[in-house]
Amino acid sequence: EIVLTQSPATLSLSPGERATLSCRASQSVSSYLGWYQQRPGQAPRLLIYDASNRATGIPARFSGSGSGTDFTLTISSLEPEDFAVYYCQQRSDWPLTFGGGTKVEIK
Amino acid sequence: EVQLVESGGGLVQPGGSLRLSCAASGFTFSNYAIHWVRQAPGKGLEYVSAINTNGDSTYYANSVKGRFTISRDNSKNTLYLQMGSLRAEDTAAYYCARSGRSGWYDSWGQGILVTVSS
Repeated sequence: EIVLTQSPATLSLSPGERATLSCRASQSVSSYLGWYQQRPGQAPRLLIYDASNRATGIPARFSGSGSGTDFTLTISSLEPEDFAVYYCQQRSDWPLTFGGGTKVEIK
Repeated sequence: EVQLVESGGGLVQPGGSLRLSCAASGFTFSNYAIHWVRQAPGKGLEYVSAINTNGDSTYYANSVKGRFTISRDNSKNTLYLQMGSLRAEDTAAYYCARSGRSGWYDSWGQGILVTVSS
């Protein structure tokens, strides 16, 4: 099973600041890495797929990069609605797995 | 508008059974693989099970293999998860999620809570 490790667990930032979230895979997942946002009480929402492609309707302030085992989600300037939990997920191999999540909280 | 609506959750005793349903609308259900993903209270996301478009291929996480059965009825645009031999650790919100053309979960239901407790 491919283990995804997200860091940091919590990121405390102010609106307007840049957020950089990391996801590391225990083995190569090529570019089969996605990112989801989950706000409190809501279902997850796909942000980025195949490491760097924004999903439909996702603002340009969200960007993804990386390949192989190291991936990054960047939010260029945090908006109030961006304070949430972010999960990475791989679909390179079964079972599909998620990272443990990074909570982006208001400082 | 794509919609996925789960139902059938609730409180069940350890060792008991429950069947979840996921009603789909707003898209051609038979063209998409659908998955179940769960989230224990205050915890992260865990993949549970998947089924392909015509139902002849399924996959299960090791944690539920042999206890859960996924199925679908394309004539009713509905996905099912039959859960048996339930354990306390199965307590979670269960989401159905569509595997979109990109291969990723592009639409999710609102989730349904399953609580396993005596």
